[in-house]
Amino acid sequence: ETGVTQTPRHLVMGMTNKKSLKCEQHLGHNAMYWYKQSAKKPLELMFVYNFKEQTENNSVPSRFSPECPNSSHLFLHLHTLQPEDSALYLCASSQDGAGNTEAFFGQGTRLTVV
Amino acid sequence: RKEVEQDPGPFNVPEGATVAFNCTYSNSASQSFFWYRQDCRKEPKLLMSVYSSGNEDGRFTAQLNRASQYISLLIRDSKLSDSATYLCVVGAGNTGKLIFGQGTTLQVKP
Repeated sequence: ETGVTQTPRHLVMGMTNKKSLKCEQHLGHNAMYWYKQSAKKPLELMFVYNFKEQTENNSVPSRFSPECPNSSHLFLHLHTLQPEDSALYLCASSQDGAGNTEAFFGQGTRLTVV
Repeated sequence: RKEVEQDPGPFNVPEGATVAFNCTYSNSASQSFFWYRQDCRKEPKLLMSVYSSGNEDGRFTAQLNRASQYISLLIRDSKLSDSATYLCVVGAGNTGKLIFGQGTTLQVKP
């Protein structure tokens, strides 16, 4: 049903592991986003890509590394994470990257860092 | 001051009730406004965009007051299926940022 798909849906990783989250959008949109949702906190914008170029890095620690090879795919590479990084990571896309059009979300990856 | 602020609730209302949610935003240059709905352990989904003239979609009415930097969502004749968290979202102009409020939780009881 969703035009934005994320894999994996659930991920458990140790603090020394390296893993990647994948997002793909089938909507022909030009902008893609990573958001983090922790319990009882608003969604936090992490990164914005507009036409494959990163236009926003919201002071995210370097242990999170995004990659956008094309307008349809977005990755989030994870390494040496901390337990407080456990959260729901949501990918979204929108027609434009100017914040003027609504964003469509994937189902998210629920990440647990042990 | 938070960029987008909402009363977290929860709002507990009986079926058939009318309920209103409010939201304030701090950036006067904001250009776009939305209400999203998020069910438990699911992704946020767009409920409706909010236009300056106000807009209505069935039982849902959204209003924008730019002078007061205030957005509202009115739900009439609440249904059990309306139980969810409602997120106020503000587009921060040409920065590409969509800023989310923390959400207001609605629980509709039979």
